[in-house]
Amino acid sequence: KAGVTQTPRYLIKTRGQQVTLSCSPISGHRSVSWYQQTPGQGLQFLFEYFSETQRNKGNFPGRFSGRQFSNSRSEMNVSTLELGDSALYLCASSRGGTGGEVEQYFGPGTRLTVT
Amino acid sequence: QQQVKQSPQSLIVQKGGISIINCAYENTAFDYFPWYQQFPGKGPALLIAIRPDVSEKKEGRFTISFNKSAKQFSLHIMDSQPGDSATYFCAASKYYALNFGKGTSLLVTP
Repeated sequence: KAGVTQTPRYLIKTRGQQVTLSCSPISGHRSVSWYQQTPGQGLQFLFEYFSETQRNKGNFPGRFSGRQFSNSRSEMNVSTLELGDSALYLCASSRGGTGGEVEQYFGPGTRLTVT
Repeated sequence: QQQVKQSPQSLIVQKGGISIINCAYENTAFDYFPWYQQFPGKGPALLIAIRPDVSEKKEGRFTISFNKSAKQFSLHIMDSQPGDSATYFCAASKYYALNFGKGTSLLVTP
């Protein structure tokens, strides 16, 4: 079974621009979560989507948004990029149901550099 | 604030030794405690996880010990190998929002 895929793998943007990152979950997984990883703050939860609805949200500004499509693929968007948004953005997928299957499997991440 | 505290920050163990990483959490609502392993340039990989209704779980060389009353849990890597050299993260969650520790950089020397 294919794992979680993320595109693009690397991205360089200029401060003030916006960016869209994409994530395709493992087949059969309906929950997609996004995390930001930086050397200073570590791994931080951004948001989680299930069946096209945002189910959980972390403590990030409104510049960070996401969405999920009917095929469970997800995108996250960061508007008005700041230098501090440079990070590895990780997507994780899970079955997401109420049956206790909460294991999250991560993709390789998208390395975003803001200059 | 950091909801999961992890120690040590770095660890050096000889091949064949036992690596022990500790985590402590504050929120008693957390009901799922996974450990992840991350190699440079890769995403975190799920190693092993535990629920608070069991005190220990073992999978191969990896064991989680869980102390609900102390709100602490730890990862033990038995017979540590150079290939285990990586960064290890503990996490805790309720629902799907994982709260991660800061990570432990493990180096296993030959």
